[in-house]
Amino acid sequence: GQNIDQPTEMTATEGAIVQINCTYQTSGFNGLFWYQQHAGEAPTFLSYNVLDGLEEKGRFSSFLSRSKGYSYLLLKELQMKDSASYLCAVRAFNDYKLSFGAGTTVTVRA
Amino acid sequence: DAGVTQSPTHLIKTRGQHVTLRCSPISGHKSVSWYQQVLGQGPQFIFQYYEKEERGRGNFPDRFSARQFPNYSSELNVNALLLGDSALYLCASSLEAGLYNYGYTFGSGTRLTVV
Repeated sequence: GQNIDQPTEMTATEGAIVQINCTYQTSGFNGLFWYQQHAGEAPTFLSYNVLDGLEEKGRFSSFLSRSKGYSYLLLKELQMKDSASYLCAVRAFNDYKLSFGAGTTVTVRA
Repeated sequence: DAGVTQSPTHLIKTRGQHVTLRCSPISGHKSVSWYQQVLGQGPQFIFQYYEKEERGRGNFPDRFSARQFPNYSSELNVNALLLGDSALYLCASSLEAGLYNYGYTFGSGTRLTVV
């Protein structure tokens, strides 16, 4: 199975930058996903990394290092609406499911 | 366009009862996956169906079962409910079930409370 670790909580100020780290152990790697989930709502897709490097999408960027089993999600120019839980998920090779971490709750303060 | 729709949105059941949760995928999507999310944790995989066939099953007891219909909608059934089954049940739809697919879209879920 997969072992996925991410911090439980992070707090940052509006306009600042926050980096959410995710480490994973998996027998055969086939992609890492980041989802945003507001309380009581569906997880929404943010990014997908399968090769090493940085993927940038507006204010959000995601980085992957397969050799280190490490990813981070970078949130820039934080807005109040970015307060949410951020889920890191890994898919193993020859597997159809996503294995999720417990999520990181980000609180943005004025 | 309608996204992934789940029903009901909330449900309260008594221990020992049976429950059926329903999911309609995005139009054109042929794969449906079910996840259980307990408060404070990430979603845990229960089942995936593609073209009406089970493609994967998570580490859940046989009390959990599912099926997919010809129109690609799906039902998740849970028998003999336990207090620990209280959770948000999420349905995710995708165009296909291929190993290189990454287009999973989640519904808003069904909040099940077992008392």
